[in-house]
Amino acid sequence: QKEVEQDPGPLSVPEGAIVSLNCTYSNSAFQYFMWYRQYSRKGPELLMYTYSSGNKEDGRFTAQVDKSSKYISLFIRDSQPSDSATYLCAMKSSASKIIFGSGTRLSIRP
Amino acid sequence: DAGVIQSPRHEVTEMGQEVTLRCKPISGHNSLFWYRQTMMRGLELLIYFNNNVPIDDSGMPEDRFSAKMPNASFSTLKIQPSEPRDSAVYFCATSPGQGPWVNTGELFFGEGSRLTVL
Repeated sequence: QKEVEQDPGPLSVPEGAIVSLNCTYSNSAFQYFMWYRQYSRKGPELLMYTYSSGNKEDGRFTAQVDKSSKYISLFIRDSQPSDSATYLCAMKSSASKIIFGSGTRLSIRP
Repeated sequence: DAGVIQSPRHEVTEMGQEVTLRCKPISGHNSLFWYRQTMMRGLELLIYFNNNVPIDDSGMPEDRFSAKMPNASFSTLKIQPSEPRDSAVYFCATSPGQGPWVNTGELFFGEGSRLTVL
């Protein structure tokens, strides 16, 4: 079993829809949770960062962490074609390497 | 700041040839990571340097792969001899970490070097 599981998609939704992206993990020591966005032929870029449990909102993006269920989510409201990319979840404990999910490919249809 | 700079952006070579990938980290970032990305395996950590010292090279596939960081401004990843299964996108990433693994996970990636070995 992988430490971090992420559905690879692809996920295709119409413009304006709410998108939900998710990851599950097995290591209860993970404390830092991240979402990276990767456009085609580019490097990943940090989109959202959360420490421990709870929610974090940044514009149209909301990251949620449920440590009791070992489950993290990224919500995108009012999705735009420019949100079309691969989204990778990532996580780590205080003194460990970062573990990335395999990425979910998202396409927003105009 | 120009960000993490990688070269070459694209490399096509024949099996058996030596390949050298280069990375210039963001100034002041003392953690440097080399990742490999493929469709099958996703992002894999190959090696991690902190303050120019290799901390973890457990992800380096085999002896054909080697990495160096001679100073805070430059790192190389070398494959010799290259094989078709090495075809992938290789990313360099840096982080302002305070010590080995003691960073929050905020990585700054370069645009990658796309390697094709024929």
